[in-house]
Amino acid sequence: SQQGEEDPQALSIQEGENATMNCSYKTSINNLQWYRQNSGRGLVHLILIRSNEREKHSGRLRVTLDTSKKSSSLLITASRAADTASYFCATVSGYSTLTFGKGTMLLVSP
Amino acid sequence: GAGVSQTPSNKVTEKGKYVELRCDPISGHTALYWYRQSLGQGPEFLIYFQGTGAADDSGLPNDRFFAVRPEGSVSTLKIQRTERGDSAVYLCASSLGHGGNSPLHFGNGTRLTVT
Repeated sequence: SQQGEEDPQALSIQEGENATMNCSYKTSINNLQWYRQNSGRGLVHLILIRSNEREKHSGRLRVTLDTSKKSSSLLITASRAADTASYFCATVSGYSTLTFGKGTMLLVSP
Repeated sequence: GAGVSQTPSNKVTEKGKYVELRCDPISGHTALYWYRQSLGQGPEFLIYFQGTGAADDSGLPNDRFFAVRPEGSVSTLKIQRTERGDSAVYLCASSLGHGGNSPLHFGNGTRLTVT
């Protein structure tokens, strides 16, 4: 089963624009993580945000978490063609393992 | 240092055959995970090892699937009597401690095709 659901399913933008992806989940969580996957490759961890945090930054990435709405967003600023990939949110509840959503496919055109 | 290594990268087998997929985690990572990913979907959890023992095998779809990690490092995912529906990319990941609090490091996966 998949708890997180990303929105939109696909996003197409131009280089230099910002990209925003959203994740909604159903049950309470310990933390939420975002991963990136390039075609034919494994997933790469981007950022982890704990349930008591509201915002985290890492380079051009900004993640927010709203536990009252059970949602998170990933913002990529000043996007580049190399950011083209699928992005997944993953949630952890209790002592469970990471549960991934279906992902957002991001296409950044030069 | 070396990342998570999975072999083979591709495996084609006939329906009904037995297959083994191997995962070499990052040295020192006590937690190891197997996920399965179908086209256009997110990774689906199969099993989680902490050291040598399976701490959570609730994601294994049925008794045709089995995984071992006898020495707490390399793991093998075994699938008996393969079915066409088993075709997917099988991903292995490792982490320091429990993945709930540590990032997972993924291999590039084994693409299994059952004909």
